Amino acid sequence: GQSLEQPSEVTAVEGAIVQINCTYQTSGFYGLSWYQQHDGGAPTFLSYNALDGLEETGRFSSFLSRSDSYGYLLLQELQMKDSASYFCASLPAGGSYIPTFGRGTSLIVHP
Amino acid sequence: DTAVSQTPKYLVTQMGNDKSIKCEQNLGHDTMYWYKQDSKKFLKIMFSYNNKELIINETVPNRFSPKSPDKAHLNLHINSLELGDSAVYFCASSQTDRGRGNTIYFGEGSWLTVV
Repeated sequence: GQSLEQPSEVTAVEGAIVQINCTYQTSGFYGLSWYQQHDGGAPTFLSYNALDGLEETGRFSSFLSRSDSYGYLLLQELQMKDSASYFCASLPAGGSYIPTFGRGTSLIVHP
Repeated sequence: DTAVSQTPKYLVTQMGNDKSIKCEQNLGHDTMYWYKQDSKKFLKIMFSYNNKELIINETVPNRFSPKSPDKAHLNLHINSLELGDSAVYFCASSQTDRGRGNTIYFGEGSWLTVV
């Protein structure tokens, strides 16, 4: 089975850097994805880490450490529009390839 | 062009009714899904379906049934609606690709309220 833990809420100010952590327990694992969801909207894909290390996409970066069963999403130069929920999702090894989502972290960016 | 579209966006109905939510994807993906998001924003997989296999989350009541007339459509039918079924239902699709993490493309959601 799969389970993922992430903080329920994180707050930060505009221009700051924030890190959203995700720890996972899984019986088999291909990689970790991150999704963003604004209130009233649909989740949208942000990034995927199959290998250990940092993946950078503009202001957002995602990190994975398989040995620690841990990953994080790093958001730099925060903007008000970054206020949203962020979900980590694990892709299980073998069979269905259906991602399992964490419970989401609500990021609140203050001016 | 909307990649994954679902209708209706909002649905208010009484307990005991039967309702359907339609979903279509124009991405040419081989797999479609239904997710349920509750008031605490937990995204729970309900069904996964491609032209080979239907995978059902065993916790989903059998009042919920997916119907796929073709590869681009996966409709959700719900019988005997209950108050606890009130949630946002997301249709989604992906092209199974382990190398890219099986990126999921979500529809805009259908807000179901059972009264």
